[in-house]
Amino acid sequence: KNQVEQSPQSLIILEGKNCTLQCNYTVSPFSNLRWYKQDTGRGPVSLTIMTFSENTKSNGRYTATLDADTKQSSLHITASQLSDSASYICVVSDRGSTLGRLYFGRGTQLTVWP
Amino acid sequence: EADIYQTPRYLVIGTGKKITLECSQTMGHDKMYWYQQDPGMELHLIHYSYGVNSTEKGDLSSESTVSRIRTEHFPLTLESARPSHTSQYLCASSDREGPYNEQFFGPGTRLTVL
Repeated sequence: KNQVEQSPQSLIILEGKNCTLQCNYTVSPFSNLRWYKQDTGRGPVSLTIMTFSENTKSNGRYTATLDADTKQSSLHITASQLSDSASYICVVSDRGSTLGRLYFGRGTQLTVWP
Repeated sequence: EADIYQTPRYLVIGTGKKITLECSQTMGHDKMYWYQQDPGMELHLIHYSYGVNSTEKGDLSSESTVSRIRTEHFPLTLESARPSHTSQYLCASSDREGPYNEQFFGPGTRLTVL
């Protein structure tokens, strides 16, 4: 069964600190892995997308890594800001269909305190 | 910010009412999707469309129906709303072929059925 597991489920950090979120997946065949940020009551917004051949990608203070051998990914947030408070969702796409089926994790709820 | 819109943003309605959730995108994307998301849970695909006059059911069984008469419009209808339909409904669209096939999400409709 294709699955995406994220940890931790929730995380509280102080403003200015760094943090790392984890994602493990069993989706096969693998096409790409994305990290989305979802603010409360809003739709997810893409942060990074990585294919099999990419092992790191940055978007400002967000850096995602991918180890396709161990099927693990991480999202590192540097110098956190209050606006980083959101749910961060790991999403994996397979190559099994033209639809590009997405498998969603449940997200890590990040809270940044002043 | 992606050009995909959902209305209404919030809807509180009584049991048995017929409702239509609107979704429109101005990007000319062929593929469109409807997801259902409960608090703290992953997104579940309930409907998708490859293009005009194409509609398919997703992974999660849903009593809702969809239509795709125009490329930019993908409304979701519940003929008789029930409390079990209370959830957040997210619409998305995508166009690019290949390994990325990024999906852009609307802001969502929070539906409450009393």
